[in-house]
Amino acid sequence: GAVVSQHPSRVICKSGTSVKIECRSLDFQATTMFWYRQFPKQSLMLMATSNEGSKATYEQGVEKDKFLINHASLTLSTLTVTSAHPEDSSFYICSARASGTGAGSSYNEQFFGPGTRLTVL
Amino acid sequence: KNQVEQSPQSLIILEGKNCTLQCNYTVSPFSNLRWYKQDTGRGPVSLTIMTFSENTKSNGRYTATLDADTKQSSLHITASQLSDSASYICVVSESFQKLVFGTGTRLLVSP
Repeated sequence: GAVVSQHPSRVICKSGTSVKIECRSLDFQATTMFWYRQFPKQSLMLMATSNEGSKATYEQGVEKDKFLINHASLTLSTLTVTSAHPEDSSFYICSARASGTGAGSSYNEQFFGPGTRLTVL
Repeated sequence: KNQVEQSPQSLIILEGKNCTLQCNYTVSPFSNLRWYKQDTGRGPVSLTIMTFSENTKSNGRYTATLDADTKQSSLHITASQLSDSASYICVVSESFQKLVFGTGTRLLVSP
């Protein structure tokens, strides 16, 4: 089946520093990747949609200068939280949508990564 | 406004028992409906995915139903196991890539 990995799984950083989270599709190519944020006991909230080779599309209320997204290849997208503050502490999850006729493509299915727990002190 | 509502918010059942989770949606246009299982501190894992023309789909002990006319779906878990303890999220695909997430049902299976 389609596998999406994230790295790191957990990160603790000081306020004001930047943190980069990687999202990789391991066994399929993903033209589109999505970044979500999830607060405790709440559902996933879409932050942005990134298409390989183009600028990400951010949801309303998400600061694009604070959450930098790069989707440089068909298997890798990165989310950089710049100048992180305690209110940015959350669970960040990426997902990848298969391109072409691969796994899940008939349903336009998204495959989710395991998530990254960010704690900003 | 496109919404997905799930009930109950939380549920406790004894190991071995069955349970049914509900999902009502107002998403339009409708593309497909998915049920995910999310363990604490992990990403969601797909259980079932159904299009407009599919009204039931099974994945092991999980069976999902879809009534596109009433815009309702259910997820039935048979012979629950302790490992079924998780959040179950109903997600409706609004268009080619936009997903609308429900708030989830937190299930606890007690020994």
